[in-house]
Parts: sequence; C-alpha cells; structure tokens
Amino acid sequence: AQSVAQPEDQVNVAEGNPLTVKCTYSVSGNPYLFWYVQYPNRGLQFLLKYITGDNLVKGSYGFEAEFNKSQTSFHLKKPSALVSDSALYFCAVRDGGSARQLTFGSGTQLTVLP
Amino acid sequence: NAGVTQTPKFRVLKTGQSMTLLCAQDMNHEYMYWYRQDPGMGLRLIHYSVGEGTTAKGEVPDGYNVSRLKKQNFLLGLESAAPSQTSVYFCASRRLNYNEQFFGPGTRLTVL
Repeated sequence: AQSVAQPEDQVNVAEGNPLTVKCTYSVSGNPYLFWYVQYPNRGLQFLLKYITGDNLVKGSYGFEAEFNKSQTSFHLKKPSALVSDSALYFCAVRDGGSARQLTFGSGTQLTVLP
Repeated sequence: NAGVTQTPKFRVLKTGQSMTLLCAQDMNHEYMYWYRQDPGMGLRLIHYSVGEGTTAKGEVPDGYNVSRLKKQNFLLGLESAAPSQTSVYFCASRRLNYNEQFFGPGTRLTVL
C-alpha cells in the first residue's frame, strides 16, 4: 500500500526567507507525486506534480519541489516566502490503478511571519 | 465555469438523521471523488466514480452511500448519521487521462 508522511505539523518562516515543507513517500512502482494547498475555508488547489523527468519541478505561485528517489522524498520549496503563502499544504501520491486515487499526507500548516 | 460546487456548505444533524450532499461539476470530467478531512489525518477517500452509473469504495466507505446518475453530479448519502461522521467533506473531479483533481469548497457537517 502507498503512503505519504509529512513529518512537520507546523512550519514557521519569516517573510523573505526560503521555505521548505517536507514530504516522504512509500509506493511500489514509479511514484506519481503531488502538492496541494488549502487556504482557510477553501478546497484544495493543485500546486505541482512529479510524474517523470527532471527532479526539480516548478509549479504555481513560485513554488517548486525536489524529487529525490534515493531518499523517497518530495520536498516543497520556495526561495522567498510571502505572508500570503500561509496555508495548509498537502503532499499526495497516486496509485497505479486506472482510478488514479490519491493518498494524502496529514498536512503541514505553513505560517509566514511578517 | 463554476468548476466544482458543493451543496450545502454547512449542516448540523442529530444522530440517526439522514442527509445527502450534492457535488456538481461543469467541466465534463469523467472521474469524481468524495473525501473527508479530519484534523491531523489529511484527506481520506470515501467513494469514487469512474463514470456515469458506476461507483466504487475508497478507504473509508462504511456508513456512506453514493450515486452518480448524471455525469455532472455525484451524491454522497448518510443514511443514519453518527457523531464519528462529523467532518469536512470535499468533492473532487478529474478528467480522463489527466492527473490533476479539482476540488470543491467543502461541506462542514456536524453530527450531534
């Protein structure tokens, strides 16, 4: 069975500093990995995905993620954090079936301090 | 386009009552999903549908039923609500052969 772990419930970073939100995964076969963001009282929004190719994936709002196969990690990064980046971030892995079900991590609350 | 919409936004039920949550999408997506979100547990898949007239169980299907009579709608039913079903429910849809799921704004359900 596939699984995703987000080891940090909460990440605080000062505005303008780089941010990292960690994610590790376990899956049989090739990993299909995703990051979603949830703003208060809103549904999840897609940020980026890794299917194949370059290990550094660029997504929306200046976010990027680094895929590391040997460490089974897919950490979300941004060079310079904004207060508006404060939100709940979810990492997810897709199964290999045709339904392409997503298994989500428990989420990391990112707070960017002004 | 409205994207994915959910009705209602909030609901309070008493134990044993029944209700139906409606999800509608106007993107002509083939796949639709129902998730529940609980603190510290991320989103867990309840049921999903790969097309009109078909449904399948997800990770936590007990106590829920679903129907997809029309391609654009996916209904989630609770026949006899329990306090353990207090949660935020999200619907999502996806286009065939694409990976990205589009989420609705959620329904906050409280069962007393």
